[in-house]
Amino acid sequence: DVVMTQSPDSLAVSLGERATINCKSSQNVFYNYDNKNYLAWFQQKPGQPPKLLIYWASTRESGVPDRFSGSGSGTDFTLTISSLQAEDVAVYYCQQYYYTPRTFGQGTKLEIK
Amino acid sequence: QVRLVQSGAEVKKPGASVKLSCQASGYSFTDYYMHWVRQAPGQRPECMGWINPKNGVTNYAQRFQGRVTMTRDTSISTVYMELSRLISDDTAVYYCAPEGLGSGSYYTQWGQGTLVTVSS
Repeated sequence: DVVMTQSPDSLAVSLGERATINCKSSQNVFYNYDNKNYLAWFQQKPGQPPKLLIYWASTRESGVPDRFSGSGSGTDFTLTISSLQAEDVAVYYCQQYYYTPRTFGQGTKLEIK
Repeated sequence: QVRLVQSGAEVKKPGASVKLSCQASGYSFTDYYMHWVRQAPGQRPECMGWINPKNGVTNYAQRFQGRVTMTRDTSISTVYMELSRLISDDTAVYYCAPEGLGSGSYYTQWGQGTLVTVSS
């Protein structure tokens, strides 16, 4: 299975500051045929299912605030929250959906400093 | 709007089986593969496999082969996931999630989850 590795495991950021989460895939998730990276980012709060934030590595899902952005290609990806808000406290997961089975990173727990 | 309603929490003994359901509405049920994803406490989500509701074809992750069975009932837009020979490590929240409701095969929607507890 493709291994997704996130860093850091946990992160404490002050309100209004930038938060950056990294994700590395053990295999390339870029598909030359359609020129897309099959990489998604999810936010999960306690007792809730994961919520889609970003797909195709950098496309924001409808309704997601524009302080969330994704970047990267191939095997290395980043989720950035430009100005942390209190409601962003959660666990964040990257997921590749190119290979079967789809696999998730181990998660990054984001807290307020 | 898309709704995915899952069955209620289950408590099972080791060695038993559990069968969960996921009823979909708000989209064309047979047009989108349904995936099952589980998440043990404090762990990352883990994809178990999928079923094509149109024809019942399934694809299971290798680690669940022989223990998982996914079926569907198109008359009530419901998919089922049965897991047998339960062990304590199967204690998790189990989610259903259709692929492809967006522009690609990522998950845009999830069921609310069903907690399965395996304990003697």
